[in-house]
Amino acid sequence: AQSVTQLGSHVSVSEGALVLLRCNYSSSVPPYLFWYVQYPNQGLQLLLKYTSAATLVKGINGFEAEFKKSETSFHLTKPSAHMSDAAEYFCAVLNRDDKIIFGKGTRLHILP
Amino acid sequence: DAGVIQSPRHEVTEMGQEVTLRCKPISGHNSLFWYRQTMMRGLELLIYFNNNVPIDDSGMPEDRFSAKMPNASFSTLKIQPSEPRDSAVYFCASYQGFENSPLHFGNGTRLTVT
Repeated sequence: AQSVTQLGSHVSVSEGALVLLRCNYSSSVPPYLFWYVQYPNQGLQLLLKYTSAATLVKGINGFEAEFKKSETSFHLTKPSAHMSDAAEYFCAVLNRDDKIIFGKGTRLHILP
Repeated sequence: DAGVIQSPRHEVTEMGQEVTLRCKPISGHNSLFWYRQTMMRGLELLIYFNNNVPIDDSGMPEDRFSAKMPNASFSTLKIQPSEPRDSAVYFCASYQGFENSPLHFGNGTRLTVT
C-alpha cells in the first residue's frame, strides 16, 4: 500500500533562510504525490502536486518540490522563508483506490 | 464558490450523547471524504464516498461511528454514543477526481466530549 513518511514533526528556520521539509514515499507503482498546508483553525490547502509530468513541481507561495525516484523522496523547499509561512505542512499520496493518504505533518516555525 | 461547508464549527457535548456533524461539498464534486485530526494520530481517513456511495469505511474506528450521504450535496457523520476519546477536529473534503481538482477541505468541526 502507498504511504508517506515525513521526517521531523517540527522544523524551525530563520526568516529569509531556506525551508526544507522532508517526505519519503512508499509505492509499488508510480505515485501521485501532494503537499498541503494547514493554517491555524483552517482546513488543508493544496500547495502543489506531482502527477508524473515534470519532476520539479512549482506550487503557490514560492514553494516547490522535486520528485526523486531513486531516493523515493518528494521534499518541499522554499528559498527564503517568510513569517507567513508558519503553518503545518502535510505530504500525501494517492493510493490505488483514489484515496489520499496523509503523512503526520511537519509544523514549520519561522524565527525572526 | 463557497467551498466545502461544515457545521457546526465547534461542538461540546457530554459523554454518551449523540453527535452529528454536517458537510456540504462543493457543487459538482463527486467524491467526499471524512477525516479526523488529533495530535496523537495526525490526519486519519475515516470514510470515503464516490457518487454518494460509501466506497471504503475501513477507517471508521468502531460501530459508534456512522456516515451517510443521502444526496450529492450533503453528508453527515454521526457518533452515538460519544466518548471523550472522540474529541478531535473532523474535516470533510471533496473533489472531482484528483486530475481535475485538488482535494478541497472544509474548515473542520472541533468536537469536545467531556
